[in-house]
Amino acid sequence: SQQGEEDPQALSIQEGENATMNCSYKTSINNLQWYRQNSGRGLVHLILIRSNEREKHSGRLRVTLDTSKKSSSLLITASRAADTASYFCATTRGGTALIFGKGTTLSVSS
Amino acid sequence: EAQVTQNPRYLITVTGKKLTVTCSQNMNHEYMSWYRQDPGLGLRQIYYSMNVEVTDKGDVPEGYKVSRKEKRNFPLILESPSPNQTSLYFCASSGLGDEQYFGPGTRLTVT
Repeated sequence: SQQGEEDPQALSIQEGENATMNCSYKTSINNLQWYRQNSGRGLVHLILIRSNEREKHSGRLRVTLDTSKKSSSLLITASRAADTASYFCATTRGGTALIFGKGTTLSVSS
Repeated sequence: EAQVTQNPRYLITVTGKKLTVTCSQNMNHEYMSWYRQDPGLGLRQIYYSMNVEVTDKGDVPEGYKVSRKEKRNFPLILESPSPNQTSLYFCASSGLGDEQYFGPGTRLTVT
């Protein structure tokens, strides 16, 4: 069963613009993780934010978490063509098992 | 290099012919899992394992088996594959509660 749901499903922007993706989830979490997947390839972990954290940064990535609204957002600043990929949020179930949303497909054109 | 390997990467088979997809990790992770990815459905967990000899069903376990005899290996077994098991399969591993490392994927086609 899907726990996280990303929004929007698809996003097209120009290089240099910022990209924001949102994730909503249903039950309480230990942490929330964001992953990137280039077409047909394995997922790559981007960032993990714990339930007691509100914001986290990693390079051009900024993740926020609002546990009262059961939502998270991923901001990619100054997007590049290489950022073109699908982005997934994932929440933990039973402490370890990850439940993924269906993803946001980001296209960055030069 | 820390990695998760899967073999084969591509497989075309016929209905009913038993197959095994291997998964191995070199990070001494306790946790391993298998996912399938289908268009419009995202990633769905098939089975997972918290440690050696400990396995449990995910969301879509029907038609699959797994075993965890060694910490580093977690093979996925399809005893009698059917066309609805045509999919892209990913193995992943992690320490408990940590980020997951994914293998490169196995694209399976069952005719």
